Amino acid sequence: GENVEQHPSTLSVQEGDSAVIKCTYSDSASNYFPWYKQELGKRPQLIIDIRSNVGEKKDQRIAVTLNKTAKHFSLHITETQPEDSAVYFCAALLEGGSEKLVFGKGTKLTVNP
Amino acid sequence: DTEVTQTPKHLVMGMTNKKSLKCEQHMGHRAMYWYKQKAKKPPELMFVYSYEKLSINESVPSRFSPECPNSSLLNLHLHALQPEDSALYLCASSQGTGYGTEAFFGQGTRLTVV
Repeated sequence: GENVEQHPSTLSVQEGDSAVIKCTYSDSASNYFPWYKQELGKRPQLIIDIRSNVGEKKDQRIAVTLNKTAKHFSLHITETQPEDSAVYFCAALLEGGSEKLVFGKGTKLTVNP
Repeated sequence: DTEVTQTPKHLVMGMTNKKSLKCEQHMGHRAMYWYKQKAKKPPELMFVYSYEKLSINESVPSRFSPECPNSSLLNLHLHALQPEDSALYLCASSQGTGYGTEAFFGQGTRLTVV
């Protein structure tokens, strides 16, 4: 089955700096990669996603890149703000198969003012 | 309406109790999920219902029993739980077309087994 590795487990940055979180996946057939943000005591919420036919996707300060050959995908947050502080989870899904979304272990991001 | 609603928000139950968690969505989603999340861990898939049929059971102990009465509702029946089952139980739904789309999560039920 699919296995998703996520690094780092914790990340601390200064406000205004960039943050990068990296994930690798094991099943080369996976083709949908969402990122979820979970604030303390709240539900996970989708912030951006990418499909395997696209190498990069951007939404304001958030971007995701995908390297299918290396089976890597990364989340980039620019101009970080204190409200970006949360736990971020990457995930992978095999489209057309079972609806089994496999999550990485999460990255706790702290943005210091 | 992009809400997945879970009740109750908090539940404390004894090891001999029977209780149920409820989940509801009105987005027309055909896939619904139960996840278990322990503190500082990712959501861990328990069950997937696709078009009201159980499609995935991740080897969950039988003391957890899912039920999908209709396309909008998902229940999780609990019986004879153990203290280690204490966790946040998250329900989610997605379009379920087999094409990856956003999974919307409910706020969760924080379960404590005493």
